[in-house]
Amino acid sequence: NAGVTQTPKFRILKIGQSMTLQCTQDMNHNYMYWYRQDPGMGLKLIYYSVGAGITDKGEVPNGYNVSRSTTEDFPLRLELAAPSQTSVYFCASSYPNRFRNTIYFGEGSWLTVV
Amino acid sequence: KQEVTQIPAALSVPEGENLVLNCSFTDSAIYNLQWFRQDPGKGLTSLLLIQSSQREQTSGRLNASLDKSSGRSTLYIAASQPGDSATYLCAADSGGGADGLTFGKGTHLIIQP
Repeated sequence: NAGVTQTPKFRILKIGQSMTLQCTQDMNHNYMYWYRQDPGMGLKLIYYSVGAGITDKGEVPNGYNVSRSTTEDFPLRLELAAPSQTSVYFCASSYPNRFRNTIYFGEGSWLTVV
Repeated sequence: KQEVTQIPAALSVPEGENLVLNCSFTDSAIYNLQWFRQDPGKGLTSLLLIQSSQREQTSGRLNASLDKSSGRSTLYIAASQPGDSATYLCAADSGGGADGLTFGKGTHLIIQP
């Protein structure tokens, strides 16, 4: 019963380094999302995808890139890491008819940029 | 732009009490309203989803209500238990695409044994 799986759980990056947060889901969901959560704040949408080969920007896309080559996987790429990208990142997925179904979250990836 | 506010930001009550968490949203044109639970160091778990045509949803000791016209939703927790301690977030789905979910900042709930 895997659901949405994110890796790594924790990571420390130096300023200017790059990395990829991995996300995979086994529920055959078309819709996938990346959010970030800063302390005491709600979740902010970074990027989302409505299906393989289709991605779009959310509210806070600057400094990030995504790809969606398969239904299962939705990696998030951080280029030239900055301290402002220190946050908790959540991947999520939902059914194609998202208006009537719940959204499922991974357990999060804690990223610190120093 | 949709804005979601949750009051109170934090709440501490003795075990056994009934309590209400509040969520308000500025744009009443929503498709649904969801309540989530977040435990420390964990992701979000969906508790209840209320469609725009519904007034309330119930799951066990949880009851969520929705009043679109006033832009309000409440999460009622009956007979609270220490295991209910967590952060509760609400999210309004304004539709119009996969990016239609707007989250509140959450209510941090502590149930004292």
